[in-house]
Amino acid sequence: RKEVEQDPGPFNVPEGATVAFNCTYSNSASQSFFWYRQDCRKEPKLLMSVYSSGNEDGRFTAQLNRASQYISLLIRDSKLSDSATYLCVVNSQGLSGSARQLTFGSGTQLTVLP
Amino acid sequence: ETGVTQTPRHLVMGMTNKKSLKCEQHLGHNAMYWYKQSAKKPLELMFVYNFKEQTENNSVPSRFSPECPNSSHLFLHLHTLQPEDSALYLCASSRPTGATNEKLFFGSGTQLSVL
Repeated sequence: RKEVEQDPGPFNVPEGATVAFNCTYSNSASQSFFWYRQDCRKEPKLLMSVYSSGNEDGRFTAQLNRASQYISLLIRDSKLSDSATYLCVVNSQGLSGSARQLTFGSGTQLTVLP
Repeated sequence: ETGVTQTPRHLVMGMTNKKSLKCEQHLGHNAMYWYKQSAKKPLELMFVYNFKEQTENNSVPSRFSPECPNSSHLFLHLHTLQPEDSALYLCASSRPTGATNEKLFFGSGTQLSVL
């Protein structure tokens, strides 16, 4: 089982649609969680952290379910500029047992259509 | 700009060449990372440095040799690479990895092609 698994995608949605991405992680000791966005041929950039109580940033809402080891990202009122690959990222224990490292999912590609 | 600068942006090299990738961060961070991103695959962590000390080496072949002379600079020395090493190499920095909520800031990456 992969450490971080995401919806395979791609998602093609019309402008204004609501779209949701899911992510599961295998390490129950994981401490923190993030969504990153990566545009084509560009570097990943932090979109938002994911907090236990759920959090919202404008049109974006992130949820965490520790019992199910599940993270989600909801995008409301999609814009053309939201087209990108969304990466689920989990902070888990590194190989040394002391240092933590961020593990990335494969990403879900979103295309918002006019 | 994220405050993390990588050079070169593109690199084409033969299997017998030796080249180096450079990364510099201006964010006052103390942790630096090398990631590899191959097509259709998730980012793979290669190396982690905390306060100039290497704390993670994820079974990376010895043809990749990192160097961290100080907390602001990170190099990846390449020699006798294979065509399957062609990928996007991303440098990142963060606060020290002991923190529980560190966020990564990435450079623009070096797109490497090995012929």
